[in-house]
Amino acid sequence: QQPVQSPQAVILREGEDAVINCSSSKALYSVHWYRQKHGEAPIFLMILLKGGEQKGHDKISASFNEKKQQSSLYLTASQLSYSGTYFCGTEFESGGGADGLTFGKGTHLIIQP
Amino acid sequence: DTGVSQNPRHKITKRGQNVTFRCDPISEHNRLYWYRQTLGQGPEFLTYFQNEAQLEKSRLLSDRFSAERPKGSFSTLEIQRTEQGDSAMYLCASSRIGLGYTFGSGTRLTVV
Repeated sequence: QQPVQSPQAVILREGEDAVINCSSSKALYSVHWYRQKHGEAPIFLMILLKGGEQKGHDKISASFNEKKQQSSLYLTASQLSYSGTYFCGTEFESGGGADGLTFGKGTHLIIQP
Repeated sequence: DTGVSQNPRHKITKRGQNVTFRCDPISEHNRLYWYRQTLGQGPEFLTYFQNEAQLEKSRLLSDRFSAERPKGSFSTLEIQRTEQGDSAMYLCASSRIGLGYTFGSGTRLTVV
């Protein structure tokens, strides 16, 4: 039931783009994206609800394909501050969004100058 | 908005002892969650409250784990008879329905 994230790790040069994927075997109610830096708490980035919407702020955006039970996080023109581990968290449709988030194992993103 | 506060930040205990952690959520948030995170893994859901009601506790790791949220304010997570496998970061988060979670800085438990 844990969502599968890919890739597990990615190394970029500053200014390059990245895509992180999250897929689930169960029907989803919502997908959350968080970024965590070493030794710190996860920080909320965005939430996507069932309905196949796309969201974004600054140079980080995300999409949710309800039919495929997949979400993707897009980071464009990456900055050094984007480095960290990105987690998707999923709420299942069966729980109506009331079961708490199930997180993937994370994608480690390293941005080099 | 002072964020989610967790205490203590670090706890070292001997195997077999009981430990209790406290979480003070953001006051406007009615949902409170407990997660456990081990090195290299995503947070693992333990339990959550909506106001004072504990709506999901089947994913607590064993009957040694229990959580309370008296009066819908702060929450405590207790681990009885700690084992070395309980060593982890315990994270608390709060939210309102439909919004993202705000996590606290966590309590790092080391069982020796």
